Amino acid sequence: SAVISQKPSRDICQRGTSLTIQCQVDSQVTMMFWYRQQPGQSLTLIATANQGSEATYESGFVIDKFPISRPNLTFSTLTVSNLSPEDSSIYLCSARVGDDTQYFGPGTRLTVL
Amino acid sequence: QKEVEQNSGPLSVPEGAIASLNCTYSDRGSQSFFWYRQYSGKSPELIMSIYSNGDKEDGRFTAQLNKASQYVSLLIRDSQPSDSATYLCAVPLYSGAGSYQLTFGKGTKLSVIP
Repeated sequence: SAVISQKPSRDICQRGTSLTIQCQVDSQVTMMFWYRQQPGQSLTLIATANQGSEATYESGFVIDKFPISRPNLTFSTLTVSNLSPEDSSIYLCSARVGDDTQYFGPGTRLTVL
Repeated sequence: QKEVEQNSGPLSVPEGAIASLNCTYSDRGSQSFFWYRQYSGKSPELIMSIYSNGDKEDGRFTAQLNKASQYVSLLIRDSQPSDSATYLCAVPLYSGAGSYQLTFGKGTKLSVIP
C-alpha cells in the first residue's frame, strides 16, 4: 500500500490568484495522478504526473490552467491557476502501487471567492 | 465511449441486512476491478479488488465478478451504520500502448438504518 499526504488540506482563495497543492507519497511510485471531485460528483482525472517529463492531461484540462510538477518518484505538485469560483472543488492526489492498485491522498478542499 | 455505470441510489438497508451494490463496465479488455468506499468529506478508500470471475470474500465484504456479463458487484453482509458511505466502482479502461486510466462510476450512496 501507500500512504499519501497532501498540503494544504483546505484553502480559501481569491479570484484570479493561484493555489499550489503538494502531494507526498511514503514510497517510490511510478504513477501519480491528480483528480478533481466536485460536490456530489464522482472523480474526474485531471492529469497523470510523469516523473521527468511533462504531465499528460485529460480532455478539458490544459497545462496553463493546471501546471503539474513531478520532480521525483515520491512527490508532485498541482497548481490551479487564475482561480474562478468554478474551480471550487476537492483536488485529490493518487498513486499507483504495483501494476494496478491506486491509493488516494486525503484531498485538498479549495474554495474560491 | 468507455464507461463505468452504477446505480446512484440512495440505497437504504436496515442494520444487519445485506447491501448489494452493482456496477457494469463497457471495456471487455478490463482485467481488474476495484471498490472504493468514500465517507462524506473524506477521500476514497480502497476496500476490495477482484481479478477473476467468481466471488472474493474479505470479512463482511464479497466482491463478485462476471466478465462475460461485464458486471461486478459488492455485497456487504450484516450491514452496520458505519457502512453508510458512497461506494465507487473503478475499472481500468485501456487507451492503448499498455496504458490505462482508472475510471470511476458515479458511486452508489448507501445508508444503513439502525
